[in-house]
Amino acid sequence: DTAVSQTPKYLVTQMGNDKSIKCEQNLGHDTMYWYKQDSKKFLKIMFSYNNKELIINETVPNRFSPKSPDKAHLNLHINSLELGDSAVYFCASSKRTEQETQYFGPGTRLLVL
Amino acid sequence: AQKITQTQPGMFVQEKEAVTLDCTYDTSDQSYGLFWYKQPSSGEMIFLIYQGSYDEQNATEGRYSLNFQKARKSANLVISASQLGDSAMYFCAMRETQGAQKLVFGQGTRLTINP
Repeated sequence: DTAVSQTPKYLVTQMGNDKSIKCEQNLGHDTMYWYKQDSKKFLKIMFSYNNKELIINETVPNRFSPKSPDKAHLNLHINSLELGDSAVYFCASSKRTEQETQYFGPGTRLLVL
Repeated sequence: AQKITQTQPGMFVQEKEAVTLDCTYDTSDQSYGLFWYKQPSSGEMIFLIYQGSYDEQNATEGRYSLNFQKARKSANLVISASQLGDSAMYFCAMRETQGAQKLVFGQGTRLTINP
């Protein structure tokens, strides 16, 4: 009965490859997010979807493309991976109303060699 | 633009003592939410406590309380009777209540509880 799940948990890949991270939530939330945590532990929003519609698209290279097939799923595809993409990527979800907490997935640790 | 500042990169506390983790914020919004998350060494982000900008009382959740001083724009986390399992990174975050409602995080404070 995991609330927000991500796969894979670890991802080690070579520069230039394309990879995807999947996220699923079973909380009945209508909004999902991708955050990036860098090597200094700083967390920053990347994207957000509400009912499959993109509502946040921060300054992220266009090599990163989110896709939301339905309200419960938000995937992140990364093309042409670079060394600087190495980070922990967190998926989160919430209801899009006031005072609603965002619940985070376990994170995907991406290492680009 | 919203900004969260956590000025304590690291803190060391004796087990069973109370600890206060500082958080100040900056926003021009009248309505906002403040959150604290815990990130243990295993890496997951655990929600601890929430304070709404219009809440008149400080939020409490078990051993966690939020010392909310709106005029000073501070939202400090107080952990009472600290335990070894409290050792972790702690993040303060703010969410705008209008628009896209993204969370803006502070730099985090690494708390170490000594036996």
